Amino acid sequence: AQSVTQLGSHVSVSEGALVLLRCNYSSSVPPYLFWYVQYPNQGLQLLLKYTSAATLVKGINGFEAEFKKSETSFHLTKPSAHMSDAAEYFCAVSDDTGRRALTFGSGTRLQVQP
Amino acid sequence: DGGITQSPKYLFRKEGQNVTLSCEQNLNHDAMYWYRQDPGQGLRLIYYSQIVNDFQKGDIAEGYSVSREKKESFPLTVTSAQKNPTAFYLCASIRSRQGASAEAFFGQGTRLTVV
Repeated sequence: AQSVTQLGSHVSVSEGALVLLRCNYSSSVPPYLFWYVQYPNQGLQLLLKYTSAATLVKGINGFEAEFKKSETSFHLTKPSAHMSDAAEYFCAVSDDTGRRALTFGSGTRLQVQP
Repeated sequence: DGGITQSPKYLFRKEGQNVTLSCEQNLNHDAMYWYRQDPGQGLRLIYYSQIVNDFQKGDIAEGYSVSREKKESFPLTVTSAQKNPTAFYLCASIRSRQGASAEAFFGQGTRLTVV
């Protein structure tokens, strides 16, 4: 079964600093990988997705992620954090059992300090 | 605008009661999903439906039931058999023809609290 692991349940950065949120996946087949963002008491919004077209994926709000097969990683980065980036971020992998559901990591809460 | 509407946003349930959470989509998506979110545990799949009049158990289906009588609607009932129902519930849909790379669209969620 496919799975994702997010290292660090809480990450705190200063405004203007680099954001790095880590995600490692486990998959027996080439995976489809996603990053979602969730603001308090809201649903999830797609930031970006990897579908094998390119290893560096650019998403909304200045975020990007790089797929590294050798490291089984799909880390999310943003060069300069903004206060509005404070939220919870989820890495997810597309289910390979035919359900086409997503399997989610446990999430990383990003705090941005002024 | 197309999207997924969940209602109510907040729901309070007494011990032993069944409650139903509504999920409606106007995206013309075939597949719909219910997830449960608990702090520090990410989202876990409760039930899913890939076509009308058919649905399947997910990873944590015990104590829940669903129906899919219309393409647009996928209500979730939390029964009295669910021992720990307090959680945030999220409904999602996927455009079936796009395959496994398709992104999921989410509703705004329903926060259920047992009182």
